Amino acid sequence: NAGVTQTPKFQVLKTGQSMTLQCAQDMNHNSMYWYRQDPGMGLRLIYYSASEGTTDKGEVPNGYNVSRLNKREFSLRLESAAPSQTSVYFCASSHRDRVPPLHFGNGTRLTVT
Amino acid sequence: GENVEQHPSTLSVQEGDSAVIKCTYSDSASNYFPWYKQELGKRPQLIIDIRSNVGEKKDQRIAVTLNKTAKHFSLHITETQPEDSAVYFCAASKYSAGTASKLTFGTGTRLQVTL
Repeated sequence: NAGVTQTPKFQVLKTGQSMTLQCAQDMNHNSMYWYRQDPGMGLRLIYYSASEGTTDKGEVPNGYNVSRLNKREFSLRLESAAPSQTSVYFCASSHRDRVPPLHFGNGTRLTVT
Repeated sequence: GENVEQHPSTLSVQEGDSAVIKCTYSDSASNYFPWYKQELGKRPQLIIDIRSNVGEKKDQRIAVTLNKTAKHFSLHITETQPEDSAVYFCAASKYSAGTASKLTFGTGTRLQVTL
């Protein structure tokens, strides 16, 4: 099992450009999450999907959109990138019906210039 | 919403000594408290977790204690080794079956184990 797979691993964008971060899990988990990690601020929840067909805002949703494409895939879109969105983005998944842990992907390092 | 504070932000110990990292949370309804270890350039990985119906949990050199009344929990690492050097994050959530587990993380503690 690959676990949680994120693509790309690195990306550089110019201000105003758009992109989609991809995430897929093969653990048959119901719930999926997007976090961002900034120095000194821990991990902050951007959006999550409790189950296929549902998405909800987390702590820092502004400037992002998400799509739960199917049970396996959960994408994060930046419509108009800003330097404040420079960060490391982690996708995670968990089983809904028993005490989780969250299983994280390897992250996407995004730089917006 | 939930707020998790973590201290210290950096911790340096000598190999073989113990390390303690402390976290407090604000929402008394939180019932699940995991700890994650993140090595440089890697993803966070769960090292131990505790539920609110338990006061302490151990796994070899690692232990977590929970004080629900004071709303704080701590990670204890004994006999530290160089490979324990990493950033450690505490987290808290209100978990119930059938729902997503929205973890709120602390800001992290960088542990350095020196020889």
